[in-house]
Amino acid sequence: GIQVEQSPPDLILQEGANSTLRCNFSDSVNNLQWFHQNPWGQLINLFYIPSGTKQNGRLSATTVATERYSLLYISSSQTTDSGVYFCAVEGDKIIFGKGTRLHILP
Amino acid sequence: GAGVSQSPRYKVTKRGQDVTLRCDPISSHATLYWYQQALGQGPEFLTYFNYEAQPDKSGLPSDRFSAERPEGSISTLTIQRTEQRDSAMYRCASSLGRGGRETQYFGPGTRLLVL
Repeated sequence: GIQVEQSPPDLILQEGANSTLRCNFSDSVNNLQWFHQNPWGQLINLFYIPSGTKQNGRLSATTVATERYSLLYISSSQTTDSGVYFCAVEGDKIIFGKGTRLHILP
Repeated sequence: GAGVSQSPRYKVTKRGQDVTLRCDPISSHATLYWYQQALGQGPEFLTYFNYEAQPDKSGLPSDRFSAERPEGSISTLTIQRTEQRDSAMYRCASSLGRGGRETQYFGPGTRLLVL
């Protein structure tokens, strides 16, 4: 099956910093989504982005399907950005990566 | 409804008991997914429904796990003869359609603890 690798596994930043999270996948996919799991455990969809670039406020994402990776950018981070960020790809089935745990210090 | 709801939110049971978890998807959504998420891990796909059809149940860990969506709306996930390794967060998600092009919306999850 498709392998999904996310990096870095953990990231600690000061409030106001920028960050880039990466998702690599081992085969072509039909769909790619980024999710944020907040400290209360709720999974929130951030982007549906099988290819191209999208922006939503301080967040943006880029997927280069031909090179099998996606990047999530967080600018001017806030403490509320803390949590785990997952990418999920869909080929024959939906596979989540192990996530990047982000902690923003006030 | 306005969002995906799941019940119960927490369930503690003894090993060997059966449990049934419920998911109420967004009312206009055709597709419903079940995931199992162990602590510190990403969700793992269990099964999905397209309306009442269940095209893929390959992610169910064993024949103790089963899911239903008889009228194409509410779904239940049943675990028979629970074991301690079944302890996890069980998440349900729904999407408008099926075809690899739809955003999934997740419910709050049911945290299951098997003693």
